[in-house]
Amino acid sequence: ETGVTQTPRHLVMGMTNKKSLKCEQHLGHNAMYWYKQSAKKPLELMFVYNFKEQTENNSVPSRFSPECPNSSHLFLHLHTLQPEDSALYLCASSQVGGGSYNEQFFGPGTRLTVL
Amino acid sequence: GQNIDQPTEMTATEGAIVQINCTYQTSGFNGLFWYQQHAGEAPTFLSYNVLDGLEEKGRFSSFLSRSKGYSYLLLKELQMKDSASYLCAVLDSNYQLIWGAGTKLIIKP
Repeated sequence: ETGVTQTPRHLVMGMTNKKSLKCEQHLGHNAMYWYKQSAKKPLELMFVYNFKEQTENNSVPSRFSPECPNSSHLFLHLHTLQPEDSALYLCASSQVGGGSYNEQFFGPGTRLTVL
Repeated sequence: GQNIDQPTEMTATEGAIVQINCTYQTSGFNGLFWYQQHAGEAPTFLSYNVLDGLEEKGRFSSFLSRSKGYSYLLLKELQMKDSASYLCAVLDSNYQLIWGAGTKLIIKP
């Protein structure tokens, strides 16, 4: 595997379900990100992890719970979601510091539909 | 507040040239990115500008004017495969990316 991978690619869930999204980066980067992308809206940054520590949480509802067990893996745990949470969820990674300009590499995304 | 503006949609003809503009107002500036995103796919990196001027990379060029808070992406010799959304993003003083909503580019034969 190369780059940034995400599973599943598509997910349909009811409002009472619990599911998790998985992201893995094979680039040796030290930062990972979760974004939400809704139609015709800017990418919304949800969470940032630098060196496995969460450094950003942009007022995301508690029904979204991130987990970063190591610098290569990132999870987004979902529970009691709402229909308006239906969107494309993108994971990205980058190398922060050391002269890098923080170019972010994206995974293919998980298309989430909440019924 | 922080704001990135770019046109919602543009249409151009195969073989022609198109310029996609981006204006920004952010708290600090550490560079500007352009990404390409085909429908249903991940955004992919196109260019990065941190100094004023034009950066050329094949058929694509990106320009930056920091004093005007302005950038453009220039696409030459358009091909059908260039139909995609083009995202402008600015790295702010906290090294976080602030994203525009994207410009959907439609290429017609």
